[in-house]
Amino acid sequence: QQQVKQSPQSLIVQKGGISIINCAYENTAFDYFPWYQQFPGKGPALLIAIRPDVSEKKEGRFTISFNKSAKQFSLHIMDSQPGDSATYFCAASYSGGSNYKLTFGKGTLLTVNP
Amino acid sequence: SAVISQKPSRDICQRGTSLTIQCQVDSQVTMMFWYRQQPGQSLTLIATANQGSEATYESGFVIDKFPISRPNLTFSTLTVSNMSPEDSSIYLCSVRFAVNTEAFFGQGTRLTVV
Repeated sequence: QQQVKQSPQSLIVQKGGISIINCAYENTAFDYFPWYQQFPGKGPALLIAIRPDVSEKKEGRFTISFNKSAKQFSLHIMDSQPGDSATYFCAASYSGGSNYKLTFGKGTLLTVNP
Repeated sequence: SAVISQKPSRDICQRGTSLTIQCQVDSQVTMMFWYRQQPGQSLTLIATANQGSEATYESGFVIDKFPISRPNLTFSTLTVSNMSPEDSSIYLCSVRFAVNTEAFFGQGTRLTVV
């Protein structure tokens, strides 16, 4: 059972454009939603994260939009740059009990053309 | 933050043999995890490494195949036992300091079984 569904699988954007990646979750107990960026040969690194008490969080060119009722959240990359070309993973976890693990989406390979 | 050192970074192994991967963290951490990532795919949690007790394995992963040790709060090992070509993958160590906080990842161990 896939608890976090991510789309699209791949995305090609022109330099300066907006990249949008979407995720949907099933477990209503999730209360932490991070996005990770992974470059080839590297481990994933946290890009930005949001908790369900806010609907939007912005850090520089990166914005998370969160819709609790729809159980969806998305990553927007404004003014996309070739250096943003990487694989992006959404994830979710919850604070209840002793389960601290992250559940990851399947990933989106972003290519930003110069 | 946490700096994670994983060794080896890559290895080519013969089928039927075992490989032990080390994960060293530069500070004491509450939670350590081991993931598997097929090239171009998402991260699949193998187990949570518990300090001083047996690891907690996810569905589909068993201790006989992936024994894990965690002797202290900064170090863990994952052994891939009796390897087959299907075990060829990237293995990642991850840590979190507290629930619903950033997860840090090592650079990964790229394993090829021939």
